[in-house]
Amino acid sequence: KQEVTQIPAALSVPEGENLVLNCSFTDSAIYNLQWFRQDPGKGLTSLLLIQSSQREQTSGRLNASLDKSSGRSTLYIAASQPGDSATYLCAIHGSSNTGKLIFGQGTTLQVKP
Amino acid sequence: DTGVSQDPRHKITKRGQNVTFRCDPISEHNRLYWYRQTLGQGPEFLTYFQNEAQLEKSRLLSDRFSAERPKGSFSTLEIQRTEQGDSAMYLCASSHSYEQYFGPGTRLTVT
Repeated sequence: KQEVTQIPAALSVPEGENLVLNCSFTDSAIYNLQWFRQDPGKGLTSLLLIQSSQREQTSGRLNASLDKSSGRSTLYIAASQPGDSATYLCAIHGSSNTGKLIFGQGTTLQVKP
Repeated sequence: DTGVSQDPRHKITKRGQNVTFRCDPISEHNRLYWYRQTLGQGPEFLTYFQNEAQLEKSRLLSDRFSAERPKGSFSTLEIQRTEQGDSAMYLCASSHSYEQYFGPGTRLTVT
């Protein structure tokens, strides 16, 4: 059974700092990995999708990497801003038949001005 | 393209009542998913539709839950005889390939 773990559960950093969020999964037979952002009481916003054949994806100040063999993904945020404060969720697409996502519990990030 | 929409955004109901939520996916998306999220947790998969066919249901979806997607467009999720444990955020997502796009969610509070 695929399990997804995100560590740490919460992180507080000063504005301007570069940071890395971690995601690990137990079964390396994945199809895709998707990173999301969730603001309090809101839905999920897709940040980056990494397909199984890819090693990383970049969007603006965000860079996500995927290492299937070690069961790990990281989300790198450069030059953090207070507006980056949110919960970040990683999710594994472990089946090509349905595409259902298996989520980690998230890392809640606070960027202090 | 207005994104995935959900209605209502908030629902407060008394235990034992029935509730129905609606999801309107992005128009060209043939895949539709329902997830449930409780406080401090990541979303958990409930059910999946491809067009109008419900192809997978989680064991979390008890007999009190039913979902439909008539004509492969909008979808409804009904909870009968609500229990306090049903209190959660119900999220809908749609896709046409791998990337899923989520709606704002319906927050259900059962008193």
